[in-house]
Amino acid sequence: DTGVSQNPRHKITKRGQNVTFRCDPISEHNRLYWYRQTLGQGPEFLTYFQNEAQLEKSRLLSDRFSAERPKGSFSTLEIQRTEQGDSAMYLCASSTERGTDTQYFGPGTRLTVL
Amino acid sequence: DAKTTQPPSMDCAEGRAANLPCNHSTISGNEYVYWYRQIHSQGPQYIIHGLKNNETNEMASLIITEDRKSSTLILPHATLRDTAVYYCIVRGGSSNTGKLIFGQGTTLQVKP
Repeated sequence: DTGVSQNPRHKITKRGQNVTFRCDPISEHNRLYWYRQTLGQGPEFLTYFQNEAQLEKSRLLSDRFSAERPKGSFSTLEIQRTEQGDSAMYLCASSTERGTDTQYFGPGTRLTVL
Repeated sequence: DAKTTQPPSMDCAEGRAANLPCNHSTISGNEYVYWYRQIHSQGPQYIIHGLKNNETNEMASLIITEDRKSSTLILPHATLRDTAVYYCIVRGGSSNTGKLIFGQGTTLQVKP
């Protein structure tokens, strides 16, 4: 299966610690998106990459959040000085601008901040 | 804000067709209607999308009204595994990066 993969699947951390998540998109997908989903809500857009360029960031992406996609392949999302309000599912999706540009999602990383 | 309106919940008997409605009265001419579903604790799964013609794939059918202000997702023979939250999303436009704006969706409960 060559779908979107995310690691780790679960992360428990203490408040104030830094965490980093990784997303590996579908091969040859040049677009990559990060979303966040809290309990009972739909996913919310965080940021978008086309190749290695970060082209859009949501207001939800505070200065404690940083995302990178250094070589236009995998991406990382780092949260510094985590807060309890950061507890959520972090979802990654990828697409290609060729064809229908349909986004395919990974399984997500569940973050719990104690 | 999401540009679609969906009922919060629906029930369907196993083996029967599930018809999930969606209103998108402000849709513009170059915007697509996308459907995703999310089974508990998993990432959203793409189902189908369309512009103005009806579409069918191995998972579902999408019926879009002629004025494009509403659509219906049809699961022809619902099974217990189709129990999920279904999201109707309007996406596209010349200045859109392609991000998906999710609403609350419809929780479909398929009952035996």
